[in-house]
Amino acid sequence: NAGVTQTPKFQVLKTGQSMTLQCAQDMNHEYMSWYRQDPGMGLRLIHYSVGAGITDQGEVPNGYNVSRSTTEDFPLRLLSAAPSQTSVYFCASSYQGGDGYTFGSGTRLTVV
Amino acid sequence: AQSVTQPDIHITVSEGASLELRCNYSYGATPYLFWYVQSPGQGLQLLLKYFSGDTLVQGIKGFEAEFKRSQSSFNLRKPSVHWSDAAEYFCAVGVVEYGNKLVFGAGTILRVKS
Repeated sequence: NAGVTQTPKFQVLKTGQSMTLQCAQDMNHEYMSWYRQDPGMGLRLIHYSVGAGITDQGEVPNGYNVSRSTTEDFPLRLLSAAPSQTSVYFCASSYQGGDGYTFGSGTRLTVV
Repeated sequence: AQSVTQPDIHITVSEGASLELRCNYSYGATPYLFWYVQSPGQGLQLLLKYFSGDTLVQGIKGFEAEFKRSQSSFNLRKPSVHWSDAAEYFCAVGVVEYGNKLVFGAGTILRVKS
């Protein structure tokens, strides 16, 4: 049982480039979320989904897009990377939220 | 708006000593409350959770937490700390109205001295 799988683990982008962070879970969880972690700020919610075809914005959605075409996958797209998007990104999933979320191991992104 | 406050950025305790990490939340309804732990370079691992019932909840690795509604607190405790407990600890509240999304505190870094 793989849990929540994030790829890549590390990425360096140039300002203005676009990319997609991949997230997949094999636990048949309906709820999935993307967070970014910055020193001293905890984790902040970027986008979340409560099921296939349903997404909504979190606290810091600007510069990011998501879609949820399947239960298993929840990719995060950076449209035009900026240095302010340098961060560690975590994907998480949950059966129904109240049980707590299972987190992936993270993607460390640097934008230069 | 929902918020979580962890007043202590860093805490240092001696191995074998007791530990209490503080967490206060602001939320209009009965919250889902969680504590997560993150070792360096790793993802977050769920330690324990609370929604209803007994206000003292037991978690993994010997941790427990007590929910106090009157104080809007959910403090994490451990009777005897081990060197392997050194990590960053996050308190979080689940917001029911928004698909139980998690709102996190800023975290507390625990250092254990031998």
